[in-house]
Amino acid sequence: DIVMTQTPLSSPVTLGQPASISCRSSQSLVHSDGNTYLSWLQQRPGQPPRLLIYKISNRFSGVPDRFSGSGAGTDFTLKISRVEAEDVGVYYCTQGTQFPHTFGQGTKLEIK
Amino acid sequence: QVQLQESGPGLVKPSGTLSLTCAVSGGSISSNNWWNWVRQPPGKGLEWIGQIYHSGSTNYNPSLKSRVTMSVDKSKNQFSLNLSSVTAADTAVYYCARAFGGSGHGDLDYWGQGTLVTVSS
Repeated sequence: DIVMTQTPLSSPVTLGQPASISCRSSQSLVHSDGNTYLSWLQQRPGQPPRLLIYKISNRFSGVPDRFSGSGAGTDFTLKISRVEAEDVGVYYCTQGTQFPHTFGQGTKLEIK
Repeated sequence: QVQLQESGPGLVKPSGTLSLTCAVSGGSISSNNWWNWVRQPPGKGLEWIGQIYHSGSTNYNPSLKSRVTMSVDKSKNQFSLNLSSVTAADTAVYYCARAFGGSGHGDLDYWGQGTLVTVSS
């Protein structure tokens, strides 16, 4: 299985300041079809996961433009340009390039 | 917009079979997408269980493969999960989700609200 490792596991951030989460995969996530199936999920407290970013850097429908994704191969980053109160929750990177789909451990974003 | 809703018993006895259904609305289960199950033990992270296509093709997590069966009911626009020989370790919130596209590798773009299943006597 591909292991997804996120850092940090906890991120206290001041409102209005940026935040960044890193995700590293144990193998390249480039699929033979040329796509990289790396996405980011947000899970607010008591809610199901929600897709934020797909294929490294594409924002899903309705996702604010303060969220952005970047990276390639085995190293990926989710950035929030200015954290708002509604961004509190746990963020997961996930890969679908190779079965089984796997998830990072999650990064808890909290307000200082 | 696609919506998914899980349903099934909230309590299952040890050694029994966990059975859940996910109803799909706002889209057809026969569309070119794969239908997934993901679980989350209380206070822990996410684990992919497997997926099914409307044709009946499946991909399962090897860690659960011997105990998992998935099926599709096109007439009801829903799909189902059976997990046999359950133990307390199977206690979790179970989510259904859609993987976009026909390869099965697609991103999990729509999720149900989840249903808590507790394994206990």
